[in-house]
Amino acid sequence: AQTVTQSQPEMSVQEAETVTLSCTYDTSESDYYLFWYKQPPSRQMILVIRQEAYKQQNATENRFSVNFQKAAKSFSLKISDSQLGDAAMYFCAYRSGDNYGQNFVFGPGTRLSVLP
Amino acid sequence: ETGVTQTPRHLVMGMTNKKSLKCEQHLGHNAMYWYKQSAKKPLELMFVYNFKEQTENNSVPSRFSPECPNSSHLFLHLHTLQPEDSALYLCASSLAGGRETQYFGPGTRLLVL
Repeated sequence: AQTVTQSQPEMSVQEAETVTLSCTYDTSESDYYLFWYKQPPSRQMILVIRQEAYKQQNATENRFSVNFQKAAKSFSLKISDSQLGDAAMYFCAYRSGDNYGQNFVFGPGTRLSVLP
Repeated sequence: ETGVTQTPRHLVMGMTNKKSLKCEQHLGHNAMYWYKQSAKKPLELMFVYNFKEQTENNSVPSRFSPECPNSSHLFLHLHTLQPEDSALYLCASSLAGGRETQYFGPGTRLLVL
């Protein structure tokens, strides 16, 4: 079974600085997708960024980028120019690439605080 | 409304009550999901529906009963719950298929007394 690990339960970053959240996963599949979701205090889970395993290029969305290391099964999220609104729980998630992709697995989350 | 909506947002119920959670998606998706989010635990997938058919039941106790009358609506019927069932229940939807991103509702905060 696939597992997703986030080894940092809590992180903090100074406003305007850069922070990296770690995620590792375990799978025997070659076709899969990885996601970072953000859950602010309002509780609505929001997609931040996604990465297809077959793509070597790291995904980027504005201030958010990932460092995808397929061989190491590592998928870290870098937040540049951190803003107060980035404070939230961040979940790393794995989804199988098979037909219906039922195996959608979340990590335990990292709580990010942004200090003014 | 846009996106994925859930009602009620908060629910308090006794162990003998029967209640239902409702989820509605306005994204044209054909797959819907129920998740349970407890404190200090990873998000747990409960049920998956693809094209109104249940395709996943992740060993969920029978006191939770899902219903998907159409691709836009998903219900979670609750009866004789236990205090340990208190959690945030999240609904999500996506297009069917492994590559598709899931979009989440705001959740229902459930407290079982």
